[in-house]
Formats: sequence, C-alpha cells, structure tokens
Amino acid sequence: EAGVAQSPRYKIIEKRQSVAFWCNPISGHATLYWYQQILGQGPKLLIQFQNNGVVDDSQLPKDRFSAERLKGVDSTLKIQPAKLEDSAVYLCASSLVRGSYYEQYFGPGTRLTVT
Amino acid sequence: AQSVTQLGSHVSVSEGALVLLRCNYSSSVPPYLFWYVQYPNQGLQLLLKYTTGATLVKGINGFEAEFKKSETSFHLTKPSAHMSDAAEYFCAVSDQGTSYGKLTFGQGTILTVHP
Repeated sequence: EAGVAQSPRYKIIEKRQSVAFWCNPISGHATLYWYQQILGQGPKLLIQFQNNGVVDDSQLPKDRFSAERLKGVDSTLKIQPAKLEDSAVYLCASSLVRGSYYEQYFGPGTRLTVT
Repeated sequence: AQSVTQLGSHVSVSEGALVLLRCNYSSSVPPYLFWYVQYPNQGLQLLLKYTTGATLVKGINGFEAEFKKSETSFHLTKPSAHMSDAAEYFCAVSDQGTSYGKLTFGQGTILTVHP
C-alpha cells in the first residue's frame, strides 16, 4: 500500500513570497491533517479535513494560511505572504478509523526555509 | 484541553542499556495515547498505542509503554538499546470524542545511543 505522498520535499523562499504544498493521502482515508513542526518542537495541528469539509482550523493563521481538499482526496496548503517564523516542516497525515480511534499515517514532510 | 509533557529533551544511553522516555499527559476525558518515532528527514512512524484494555502495550522494535491513569503517565521503555534506536520520539494524546483523531504532541525527546 502506498503511503502519504508530499511535495516538494524542500523549499526555500524569501519572506513575503508565497508557497504551496501538496499532499496525496492514502487511498480511502477520509480524514486528512496538516501539521506544522518547528525545529525543536512537536508537531502542531493546523487544519483537519473530514472528506472535503474542514472540521478544525482553530490554529491556522487564516490571514496568511489557506488550505483546501478538493473532491475529498488531495490537499494543498498555501502560505501568502510567508514570514520568517513560518520556517518549519509541514507534515501531512491521513487516518483510518480503527474501531473507536483514528490511526494516523504521516508523509515525509516538506521542509520550508524562509529567508 | 489536552496537553503532553515529555520530561527531558535529550536522553543518552549506552548500547544494551535500558531506555526510559517519560511522558505525562493532561486530558479532561479518557485519552488515547501514542508514541511516534521520527528519524532524520522522515515523517513520524507509530511505535505503539493505548486505546482501551490492557494498560501495558507492546509496539514495534521491542518498545513497550504502560498507561498509568493515577499518575497520568505513559512512559516508553526498551530493555536493551540498539544503535538503530537513535531518533526523536514523540508522545501524543487524542480524546475519545468527536475530534476525528486530532493529536496533541509533546515537544519530543532525542535519544542518543553510544557504542
């Protein structure tokens, strides 16, 4: 079974530029998550989709970040304009419901450096 | 609200020694608890999980963890460390409610294994 795919793996941009990340979840996984992992910290949830609807975006900086999940499959996360503090690894995960809990599978992440 | 505290951002052990990584959580509802491992430039891989039932759970690569409700702890152990265990480890919690598996992570513990 193919895992969660993310692209690009690395991206370097200057502040105030825009950037987009792409995620392809595991086939059949209805729930998709975007996490931000700043160096030295644990991942923090940015946004969560159930099929193509948003169920939690409480920690998404909506003035500069946006995300969508078309047709309940692939997802893109966009930052416009980027700030220095956005330098981080952006992890995408998708989950399968196993009984009463959700087992998340993570992609390799996109490392963003903002200069 | 949920939170996770991992005691010790860095743990160093000798090969063959006991590994003990500490995790304490806070949750207002019965939690689901997870340990993930992250190797350099890779995504997170699930080591083990506690959902219901037996409080001592076994995972991959010889790791195990015990859920202690009275101590709100879920410490990760391995009897004998191997060089390949060197990585960063994250403890995470989710609730059994309607959060669609949202994970709250600790800040991580970097495990170094010396020959």
